[in-house]
Amino acid sequence: QITLKESGPTLVKPTQTLTLTCTFSGFSLSTSGVGVGWIRQPPGKALEWLALIFWDDDKRYTPSLKSRLTITKDTSKNQVVLTMTNMDPVDTATYYCAHRTYDSGSYAYWGQGTLVTVSS
Amino acid sequence: DIVMTQSPDSLAVSLGERATINCKSSQSVLYSSNNKNYLAWYQQKPGQPPKLLIYWASTRESGVPDRFSGSGSGTDFTLTISSLQAEDVAVYYCHQYYSIPYTFGQGARLEL
Repeated sequence: QITLKESGPTLVKPTQTLTLTCTFSGFSLSTSGVGVGWIRQPPGKALEWLALIFWDDDKRYTPSLKSRLTITKDTSKNQVVLTMTNMDPVDTATYYCAHRTYDSGSYAYWGQGTLVTVSS
Repeated sequence: DIVMTQSPDSLAVSLGERATINCKSSQSVLYSSNNKNYLAWYQQKPGQPPKLLIYWASTRESGVPDRFSGSGSGTDFTLTISSLQAEDVAVYYCHQYYSIPYTFGQGARLEL
C-alpha cells in the first residue's frame, strides 16, 4: 500500500524559507521510472505543479519558481524534501506531495496535504 | 507554458444523467513517437487531495468506476460521466504532463 505524508510548518513569515518533507511508504524512489512531485493549491483555487524528482535524481521545476525551489531525496529514509525560499503571502496554499509512475505518467497517490500560511 | 482551459467552469446535472467536461490545451499534448496524449483527469472533493481518474487521456485508473471515461487527442479532450451519482459531486481538473511546466486546468465544479 502506497502512502505519502507531508510535514512542515503551518505558519511562516514573509521572506523566510519553507522546508516541507514528504515521507512515503509502499514504494522505493530507487525503482526505475518512479518520481515524487509537489503540487500546491491556494485556498479556493486551482492546482499548481511545482517540482518533480525522479528515481535517478533527475529534477524538474516550474520555471516561474525555479530560482526559489529545491527538491531533494533521501532514498534511505523514504523522504523527499522541498524547500522554497523568500516566502510571500501569495504562497499560502495547501502543499501536496504525490507519487508518479512511469506507466501512467500521472499522480495516482497523494498525501493529504499540508496547509502553509505565510503571514507576519 | 501550455494553458489548459476547461469548460464549463461549473455545471449542474441530475442524478442518472450524463455529465461532460471539456478541456482544451494551448498546444498539442500528443507525443508522436508513442502516440500517447499526456493528459490526465483528476477528481477533487472538499478537504481531500485530488484523485486520479484517467491518464493517457483515456485509460481509466484502477478502481475507477466505468461510468467515467476520457476521450480526445491533440488539443481537445473530454471527461464524461455516463450516469451521474451523488458521490460524483466534486471539482474536476485536467492536467497535461507533456512539457514543463506541467499545468492544470482551472477546474470544473460539478453539482447536482
